[in-house]
Order: sequence, then C-alpha cells, then structure tokens
Amino acid sequence: GAGVSQSPRYKVAKRGQDVALRCDPISGHVSLFWYQQALGQGPEFLTYFQNEAQLDKSGLPSDRFFAERPEGSVSTLKIQRTQQEDSAVYLCASSLDWSPSNQPQHFGDGTRLSIL
Amino acid sequence: AQSVSQHNHHVILSEAASLELGCNYSYGGTVNLFWYVQYPGQHLQLLLKYFSGDPLVKGIKGFEAEFIKSKFSFNLRKPSVQWSDTAEYFCAVNTGGYQKVTFGTGTKLQVIP
Repeated sequence: GAGVSQSPRYKVAKRGQDVALRCDPISGHVSLFWYQQALGQGPEFLTYFQNEAQLDKSGLPSDRFFAERPEGSVSTLKIQRTQQEDSAVYLCASSLDWSPSNQPQHFGDGTRLSIL
Repeated sequence: AQSVSQHNHHVILSEAASLELGCNYSYGGTVNLFWYVQYPGQHLQLLLKYFSGDPLVKGIKGFEAEFIKSKFSFNLRKPSVQWSDTAEYFCAVNTGGYQKVTFGTGTKLQVIP
C-alpha cells in the first residue's frame, strides 16, 4: 500500500484481556515507531525498531507492553492484562532509513483502544 | 530530557485572519524541530521541519515557522488562514541521534468561514 496501515482501527476489550495491534509500514522503510496518544494529548513515544532490532523501548509504560518486528517489516504491539489506563490511540510511524533525524515519519491512522 | 510546550490549546479564527501558534521546547543542545498537522479523520502528516541553516522555514500550504534559538521557540505562522486549515497542529522536537521525537500536546485550530 501507499501508506502505513494499522489494524484494527478500533478495538474494545475488557479489563484483563490481552490485545495485539498490527502495523504494516511503508514497504522498504527501515525505521518503525510506536506512539501512544491519550485523549487531549500529543503522541508519546513507546518504542523504536531499526529493521528487526528493537533499539529503544524506553517509552513502554510497563512490562505488560511488548512489541516485536521479527522480519523487519510488520510490527505487533501486544498489551497483556489490559487496564483502563491503557485506553488510547496507538500510532505507528515508519521512515525510510536510519539516518538521524532528517527523514520524515509517515504515520498510520492509529488503533483506538478502549478498555472497559 | 526534552519537552515541548504549546500554549494555545484551542484557537478559533475567521477566514483570512493571520495565524501564529506558539511552541517552546526545553533542551540546551542542538535540536531538530517539526510541525505536524492532523486534519479531521486523517493521519498525522509533516507540515514543515527545521534541521539547520535558515531559521525561517517554509512548509506546505503557505505555512512557515521561525526558529529562534535564544527563545527556544519554533512558532508556526500563516498570513491568511482558510477553512481547510481546520485541524490539530503538533509541534515536535528531536535532539539528534536517531529519530525519536517528542510531541507537544497539540493546538486545535478552528477556522470559521
């Protein structure tokens, strides 16, 4: 596809359930980012991949959050034992290469996660 | 760690009015600065960016921003807004290295025809 694709667009889960969010980056993009955007806030960094390597996971809020990108393309963000505070829009972004800073990030439409 | 402040949370303007959205960051070293825009129902997209050189940066759709290092500011401007500029605008900063970006809380702009 032409852009970053995320699925599902909306996810409703009961507290305590596990969820998995998928991101298909633009083909050939080396860098992939996950962000969490709470209502009324800007996106907050969660984690970064360069190809299949997770180089920074400093933004993951707890050990319930786990991300992977096993083949350097599609990425999955998994949240275990979901809590109400996990309700947010989860954004994925990709960029062409690893070079520092000067490549724009292309964002997906996000997955809106609601925990009941 | 870097942080970004956007002082205006919600701005309402009439068409043809001039726009200036404030953005201040906190970081003492070299920074790269961005403005992203999110139109209703669409994804975030890059409006303009500053890395080095001329501190006055021109972006798409007639937007520009000026980097003032002494004020730690990167305000967004447009001389004459249109109804189609209604959107949420995010200022963001990166402090080099790889591309981790810190976003502000956003400013919702509503342009009244």
